[in-house]
Amino acid sequence: EAGVVQSPRYKIIEKKQPVAFWCNPISGHNTLYWYRQNLGQGPELLIRYENEEAVDDSQLPKDRFSAERLKGVDSTLKIQPAELGDSAVYLCASSLTFGQEEETQYFGPGTRLLVL
Amino acid sequence: GQNIDQPTEMTATEGAIVQINCTYQTSGFNGLFWYQQHAGEAPTFLSYNVLDGLEEKGRFSSFLSRSKGYSYLLLKELQMKDSASYLCAVTHYGQNFVFGPGTRLSVLP
Repeated sequence: EAGVVQSPRYKIIEKKQPVAFWCNPISGHNTLYWYRQNLGQGPELLIRYENEEAVDDSQLPKDRFSAERLKGVDSTLKIQPAELGDSAVYLCASSLTFGQEEETQYFGPGTRLLVL
Repeated sequence: GQNIDQPTEMTATEGAIVQINCTYQTSGFNGLFWYQQHAGEAPTFLSYNVLDGLEEKGRFSSFLSRSKGYSYLLLKELQMKDSASYLCAVTHYGQNFVFGPGTRLSVLP
């Protein structure tokens, strides 16, 4: 069974430029998460989707970040415009559903973003 | 917010046993996960605890005390490849995963 797929793996951009990250979750997983992880810290949730619905985007900086999950499968996270402080690893994860052991999350390899 | 505390760093010797602790807020607790993350890689699932007691999986075991808001991950017969960060993550009813800051474990020969 294929795991969570993310692309690109690495991205270097100049500040004020836009950037987009793509995620394909494990087949059959209804719940999809986007996290940001800074060096030496645990992942911080940005947004959670149940199928195509964003059920928790309270931590998403909505002035510059946006996300979508069309058809409840693949998802895209966008930053426009990027700032120096956005440099981090962006992780996508998926789980069967939301609740107890079914909530076990499986992570993609992440996209390492460097904003210059 | 949900405060999850873990030691920042630990060092142990190959072949030894190490215990990594995690404390969290008990109100609305709904489960605790441990993840392993090697440098530059994604977190991978290790264990899940929702009831009190010890869950054993080979060299790794995870313990939970819900009344104390406390868990530990026990690693036995340490190997060099166990050098990684270990993340404790807690779920509360109706709320999202919250990850702790992680414990960076270094295994020395």
